[in-house]
Amino acid sequence: GAGVSQSPRYKVAKRGQDVALRCDPISGHVSLFWYQQALGQGPEFLTYFQNEAQLDKSGLPSDRFFAERPEGSVSTLKIQRTQQEDSAVYLCASSLLVTCNEQFFGPGTRLTVL
Amino acid sequence: RKEVEQDPGPFNVPEGATVAFNCTYSNSASQSFFWYRQDCRKEPKLLMSVYSSGNEDGRFTAQLNRASQYISLLIRDSKLSDSATYLCVVCPNDYKLSFGAGTTVTVRA
Repeated sequence: GAGVSQSPRYKVAKRGQDVALRCDPISGHVSLFWYQQALGQGPEFLTYFQNEAQLDKSGLPSDRFFAERPEGSVSTLKIQRTQQEDSAVYLCASSLLVTCNEQFFGPGTRLTVL
Repeated sequence: RKEVEQDPGPFNVPEGATVAFNCTYSNSASQSFFWYRQDCRKEPKLLMSVYSSGNEDGRFTAQLNRASQYISLLIRDSKLSDSATYLCVVCPNDYKLSFGAGTTVTVRA
């Protein structure tokens, strides 16, 4: 059974470059989440989609961060003009329902900005 | 103040020991509570939900104290495979999970 997949698994970017991170959620899952996890910390919420609608983007740290899920399935998190403080693991999660229940996480994309 | 606060540990215990740790949360309106487990350089995975009456899942026992806004996890008869970071997770609204920074447990032979 396919779980949540993310690509690339590792990304090294030079400061100022744009990056795009992809998430393939579990098929049929309505809810999709992006989290940022810094070393030694728990995941921090970035944004939430219910199908194709982005209902909450309160966790996006700046307007350099943009996420989309145009067809209600695959999602892309884009970071423009990357900065060193953007270095982290970016986790995608999906859940079947809208209510607060188990979220299934992908393996994450480890972003390093030099 | 962070929404979920955890003792970071590390807790270093021998096989077969009992280890317990807890977390506190700040949003009294929170309705759902969980413990997730995260192995080194892996994604978080749900360990168990936490119910008001307390609940067990094998060697794991979770307790919730709403009045004190306090959640605990107890692991009995620790196994080497229990070595991981345990994330306390609170749902303050209908969908969003707030994670603590995690408690690291190392079980030694």
